[in-house]
Amino acid sequence: KQEVTQIPAALSVPEGENLVLNCSFTDSAIYNLQWFRQDPGKGLTSLLLIQSSQREQTSGRLNASLDKSSGRSTLYIAASQPGDSATYLCAAHQAGTALIFGKGTTLSVSS
Amino acid sequence: DAGITQSPRYKITETGRQVTLMCHQTWSHSYMFWYRQDLGHGLRLIYYSAAADITDKGEVPDGYVVSRSKTENFPLTLESATRSQTSVYFCASLGGVRQEKLFFGSGTQLSVL
Repeated sequence: KQEVTQIPAALSVPEGENLVLNCSFTDSAIYNLQWFRQDPGKGLTSLLLIQSSQREQTSGRLNASLDKSSGRSTLYIAASQPGDSATYLCAAHQAGTALIFGKGTTLSVSS
Repeated sequence: DAGITQSPRYKITETGRQVTLMCHQTWSHSYMFWYRQDLGHGLRLIYYSAAADITDKGEVPDGYVVSRSKTENFPLTLESATRSQTSVYFCASLGGVRQEKLFFGSGTQLSVL
């Protein structure tokens, strides 16, 4: 059974700082690994999707990496802004099944 | 509007009542899912469906029933609501070229009194 863990559960940083969010999964036989953002009271928005054959994906100030052998993914946010404040969730997708989510990391960026 | 729509947005009900949460998508995606989100538990899968008339249990299916007679609709029914089913419910569908990207509805906030 796939289990996904995110560390830390919460993070507070000043504006402009670079930061890393961590995600680990127990079963390395994944189809892909996805990162989502959730604002309070809202649904989830897809940020980045890394195929199992890829090592990383980039979108603007966001960079996600994947190491299947160690069961880890990281989300790097460069030059953080107050607008980045949200909960970030990672999810492991195994072919033919649903995505399994971590509990998320709640990020607060202060100006 | 294209996308995935959930209704109602908010629902208050009493224990023992039957409640149905609706989910409709306009893309004709094959896979659809129901998740519930609770503090301390994150998102947990209730049921999912690979196609019309094909459904399967997720992590927390007890007390819930689903059906999928049409590709675009995937309703979730609480047969006899309990307080432990107070939660935010999200419907999602899997799209993209390789059916890999998950698209979420806005959620239904359900309170069982």
